[in-house]
Amino acid sequence: AQSVTQLDSHVSVSEGTPVLLRCNYSSSYSPSLFWYVQHPNKGLQLLLKYTSAATLVKGINGFEAEFKKSETSFHLTKPSAHMSDAAEYFCVVSDQGGGYQKVTFGTGTKLQVIP
Amino acid sequence: NAGVTQTPKFQVLKTGQSMTLQCAQDMNHNSMYWYRQDPGMGLRLIYYSASEGTTDKGEVPNGYNVSRLNKREFSLRLESAAPSQTSVYFCASRKGAVGYTFGSGTRLTVV
Repeated sequence: AQSVTQLDSHVSVSEGTPVLLRCNYSSSYSPSLFWYVQHPNKGLQLLLKYTSAATLVKGINGFEAEFKKSETSFHLTKPSAHMSDAAEYFCVVSDQGGGYQKVTFGTGTKLQVIP
Repeated sequence: NAGVTQTPKFQVLKTGQSMTLQCAQDMNHNSMYWYRQDPGMGLRLIYYSASEGTTDKGEVPNGYNVSRLNKREFSLRLESAAPSQTSVYFCASRKGAVGYTFGSGTRLTVV
């Protein structure tokens, strides 16, 4: 079975403080994991992806995520939040379950950055 | 700029009307997808096309039809629109295991 859970629907941080957006997944196969960002009234943009190489993945705009198989987690972090980071973030799991590429999106986490 | 282009960006329909959402990509991707996005529900797959000439149902296909016209174009049709189809629709394409490239979306309201 494949699923993804984003543990917080809203996260609020002050500008300049660290960001942590949490994502847990389940997959019966070796998964690929992604984080996407969606700014208001825009499409989704790929931030970073994990595809069984290095477990610490660096993405655009200073974001990174660590794949932890033992914890089935793929949390997104950034050392210092900028105002421009305010957006909705989606965690996505993909695997070859059933012989085809199945993909599941999380329900999203809205990040608010307070000046 | 290379990417996925969706038209129209906004549309208001009356219940029972029909319309087609257009999507085109210029990245030579094999796979194309239609998703709908509703508050608190993430993105749900409506239909996908793994390659030119093939289409398959996703999680929420009822009330929709699709056509993979060629490798570039993948359209979504609502034959008889219902208020439950009010949503934001995203087209996406993908090649292999690389992440999706998304269009900017179509905001559809059915009254």
